[in-house]
Amino acid sequence: QLQLQESGPGLVKPSETLSLTCSVSGGSISSSSYYWGWIRQPPGKGLEWIGSVYFSGNTYDNPSLRGRVTISIDTSKNQYSLKLSSVTAADTALYYCARHPATGSGSYFEYWGQGTLVTVSS
Amino acid sequence: QSALTQPASVSGSPGQSITISCTGSSSDVGGYNYVSWYQQHPGKAPKLMIYDVSNRPSGVSNRFSGSKSGNTASLTISGLQAEDEADYYCSSYTNSGTLYVFGTGTKVTVL
Repeated sequence: QLQLQESGPGLVKPSETLSLTCSVSGGSISSSSYYWGWIRQPPGKGLEWIGSVYFSGNTYDNPSLRGRVTISIDTSKNQYSLKLSSVTAADTALYYCARHPATGSGSYFEYWGQGTLVTVSS
Repeated sequence: QSALTQPASVSGSPGQSITISCTGSSSDVGGYNYVSWYQQHPGKAPKLMIYDVSNRPSGVSNRFSGSKSGNTASLTISGLQAEDEADYYCSSYTNSGTLYVFGTGTKVTVL
């Protein structure tokens, strides 16, 4: 059974960089069949796709985040990471990692991590 | 890219059927058969319930069904059960640049 687990600091200061890692078990992150994504949910609010990475290292992200997103993949460790720079209080959210297919529509997130809360505060 | 529009809440009695709507535009819901639905219980991660408008992942009850007409997609829950009480989100591919847009979310209450 595929499992995803987010990890990283729960508190980040304004203007600094948020860094999270998603560790994948029960399946290989090197599969050409999937993308590996990040999604966030501010407390009490809806979901927002942040970006995704392919095993090759190709990435794409949400333009609304204005180029603050960096996603990387480490196939040797079976994990991938998110960096979000210049954070503000608006970036306070539950951050999820999730897998979506690279074939067909690829537009659905079939496996999710449990989420990790990141609070931006001084 | 604005979020897809869902009703804030929908309720029903056990055994009844309810339908949740998800309205977008021709750039997303109406333009592609790439709508998915997620169930989220409090404190839990979202769970995929429907993908590509009407397909159910393995293990999801056949009480859940999806459809689409024009720019509006719908999720129907038949034979409503207490365990169905949760938040539900739709999502769609969009050609706007954002690529994946989610709905505003609907709280389902079982009376």
